[in-house]
Amino acid sequence: GAGVSQSPSNKVTEKGKDVELRCDPISGHTALYWYRQSLGQGLEFLIYFQGNSAPDKSGLPSDRFSAERTGGSVSTLTIQRTQQEDSAVYLCASSPSGLAGGGRELFFGEGSRLTVL
Amino acid sequence: DAKTTQPTSMDCAEGRAANLPCNHSTISGNEYVYWYRQIHSQGPQYIIHGLKNNETNEMASLIITEDRKSSTLILPHATLRDTAVYYCIVRPGREAGSYQLTFGKGTKLSVIP
Repeated sequence: GAGVSQSPSNKVTEKGKDVELRCDPISGHTALYWYRQSLGQGLEFLIYFQGNSAPDKSGLPSDRFSAERTGGSVSTLTIQRTQQEDSAVYLCASSPSGLAGGGRELFFGEGSRLTVL
Repeated sequence: DAKTTQPTSMDCAEGRAANLPCNHSTISGNEYVYWYRQIHSQGPQYIIHGLKNNETNEMASLIITEDRKSSTLILPHATLRDTAVYYCIVRPGREAGSYQLTFGKGTKLSVIP
């Protein structure tokens, strides 16, 4: 598609269950980001992928959170043993380039709304 | 990295210019000013960015003061669809960490009919 695609758009889960959120970036974009937005709050950086470089995981809030990016394209954010405080909108963004070069604007998906009961 | 200060909320009459201020008094020489907006229930959308000079595109104009300590985003003819949260972000230069954008709480702009 033309934009960043995220799935599922909504996910309701029970506390303690694992969830996987998927992001399809814009074709050709080498940089991919995950952000989290809790209700009424700004965006919180989680993780960044750039090409084949090691990802920057410095924003992940705990070891229950992990993310992968396969083949430099699709990314999956996994939350294990979900807690109620994990409830938020998880936003994925991609960019034509990361650290260098022009075109560093981020293109965001619509987000995946996670509700942990 | 530099932080930004924005008013929590603003109103603007439909058809009038919306002027959204942002203070970034600790900005350093190689840091860019970026503006994004987030319409309800959507992901943020890039609007414009600049370094020193004023910038204009099809969406908005960005006015950066000569000392670069503040900027103003101008929507020349606000419409109801411009109602959104507007984020002013200072993005570090090409040193390590320059890829991160730190979003604050932004300004909630309400365009009034």
